Amino acid sequence: ETGVTQTPRHLVMGMTNKKSLKCEQHLGHNAMYWYKQSAKKPLELMFVYNFKEQTENNSVPSRFSPECPNSSHLFLHLHTLQPEDSALYLCASSQAGTSGYEQYFGPGTRLTVT
Amino acid sequence: QKEVEQNSGPLSVPEGAIASLNCTYSDRGSQSFFWYRQYSGKSPELIMFIYSNGDKEDGRFTAQLNKASQYVSLLIRDSQPSDSATYLCAVNDGNTGKLIFGQGTTLQVKP
Repeated sequence: ETGVTQTPRHLVMGMTNKKSLKCEQHLGHNAMYWYKQSAKKPLELMFVYNFKEQTENNSVPSRFSPECPNSSHLFLHLHTLQPEDSALYLCASSQAGTSGYEQYFGPGTRLTVT
Repeated sequence: QKEVEQNSGPLSVPEGAIASLNCTYSDRGSQSFFWYRQYSGKSPELIMFIYSNGDKEDGRFTAQLNKASQYVSLLIRDSQPSDSATYLCAVNDGNTGKLIFGQGTTLQVKP
């Protein structure tokens, strides 16, 4: 266990549904990230939060909506997704502002859009 | 566009051999370099990081960094079948600190 938890681990949703992914980190970090990992592609950074403030939105469609209520929790709200959004969604955290920027990943949510 | 390049493989080595995984990067301002291991269906796990030129050893793993050549490598000694996984190279963006990931190299260790 890395100290980063994600729920649910698996999610199947229709294109008209609304669902949320949750991430929690117990490492005392102040930066959190959402990544998307599709088959045969590098990890894609979606959103970055530093000290609860969004500092990066990597041209992500508006059907993905992040929320960071505090430094330990991160949500990804999903609505009207497309089948091509099916992927592994990974949350990570790090101690922002240090030279290392080591990121620690949660177990991920395997999302299937039908 | 800042890039991290890895050979996707698969790299196949016999059990007990040394596996050598390579990565090149484009951003000369990068200061931090990471290797993650990802088993099929699992999330990436940080196994090594290196900040200075030269070698860094941790058990059977050695990370090597050459900033002049913009090259970082991971050596796995005495490879085991349990080392079979995809290895992701990640490099920090010198301006923003974000990590840029390569597409990963799949390693197969054959008994």
